[in-house]
Amino acid sequence: TAGITQAPTSQILAAGRSMTLRCTQDMRHNAMYWYRQDLGLGLRLIHYSNTAGTTGKGEVPDGYSVSRANTDDFPLTLASAVPSQTSVYFCASSSTSGGAYNEQFFGPGTRLTVL
Amino acid sequence: AQKVTQAQTEISVVEKEDVTLDCVYETRDTTYYLFWYKQPPSGELVFLIRRNSFDEQNEISGRYSWNFQKSTSSFNFTITASQVVDSAVYFCALRNNDMRFGAGTRLTVKP
Repeated sequence: TAGITQAPTSQILAAGRSMTLRCTQDMRHNAMYWYRQDLGLGLRLIHYSNTAGTTGKGEVPDGYSVSRANTDDFPLTLASAVPSQTSVYFCASSSTSGGAYNEQFFGPGTRLTVL
Repeated sequence: AQKVTQAQTEISVVEKEDVTLDCVYETRDTTYYLFWYKQPPSGELVFLIRRNSFDEQNEISGRYSWNFQKSTSSFNFTITASQVVDSAVYFCALRNNDMRFGAGTRLTVKP
């Protein structure tokens, strides 16, 4: 079982350009999440989706957008990248069975550098 | 507002020593979940434990144990007889409506 895949593994992007980070899960989890990880700050939630067709803003949503057209995919788009968006991006998913906040499973991450 | 504080930025121990990683959280909610994750040098995030706010029982899993105390808003993690393979960054996290992670504690276990 692949679990969660992210693409690309890494990317260097010119400031002002747009980019979509891809995330796919095969565990049929309802909920999906995007985080960024920066040194000294831990992981911060960007956007989340509790089920296909719905999305919500996390702690640091500005400059990012997401969509959730189906259960498996949760792409993250940077419309006009800025250097402060240089980070490692993690996608995660979790089951919502039982109404509880279950553990999140994480993808391998995408390292993005904006110059 | 929700907040998770891991005051220990880095800890270094010698193999076989016991080590405790501290986690203090803030929330106004009565229902919440606490988590610990491990991030080894390879970079992936590995789930270790989940605890809900109504279950204050301590938990032991092999060399790992967790002490949850609502009175002090703490959820500390102890590794007994540490090993080199325990070297990693460990994150504590708090979840109700959203998920907040602490900044992490980098543990180095030297042989």
